[in-house]
Amino acid sequence: QVQLQESGPGLVRPFETLSLSCSVSGGSITNYYWNWIRQAPGKGLEWVGYIYYSGSAKYNPSLGGRFTISVDTSRNQFNLRLTSVTAADTAVYYCARGGYCDTTTCYSPITFDAWGQGALVTVSA
Amino acid sequence: DIQMTQSPSSLSASVGDRITITCRASQVIGNYVAWFQQRPGKAPKSLIFATSSLQSGVPSRFSGSASGTDFTLTISTLQPEDFATYYCQQYNNFPPTFGGGTKVEI
Repeated sequence: QVQLQESGPGLVRPFETLSLSCSVSGGSITNYYWNWIRQAPGKGLEWVGYIYYSGSAKYNPSLGGRFTISVDTSRNQFNLRLTSVTAADTAVYYCARGGYCDTTTCYSPITFDAWGQGALVTVSA
Repeated sequence: DIQMTQSPSSLSASVGDRITITCRASQVIGNYVAWFQQRPGKAPKSLIFATSSLQSGVPSRFSGSASGTDFTLTISTLQPEDFATYYCQQYNNFPPTFGGGTKVEI
């Protein structure tokens, strides 16, 4: 059974860059889409973006262009980078597995069947 | 973006009750709706995809249905572990969007 685990700093200063990683165990990162979703304290869920194992990524246009998602297949992990953070970026950041592609079909990248436990990131001076 | 209007935002229920949570999509989205359960301090857990298909291991007391742009999650016999917050999500259009959540309380 696949497991996901986020890691990264819990505190980031305003205007600095946030970097998070998601390690995938119990399965290969290959052939799947991998997502980041965040949840501000006491709020609902907000999709950030996804990356395919091959490296192609797509982002939520409503969030602007400060996010970058990358993948490292050799380490079976993918990463999130957020530049110029503000207090509004304070949230729990979840990584989640999306659909996969086989030889004939690709399943939706934005269905989330497995989630990490989440990483709380606080933006504060 | 497609808006998913979820109702009620909270409800009080008892063990053994049957409850229904509804999400209304702002436009036609086919059957591309999923439901998640989130217990306090925990990650969301996938319950249902494609409106009515249960994820592996999800108890059969959970079910999903649709009528037009209205999507429903039903828990037939509420168990103690079902007290949580539930979210719907559409994945027909980019970006995927979630409902505001329904907190199920005792």
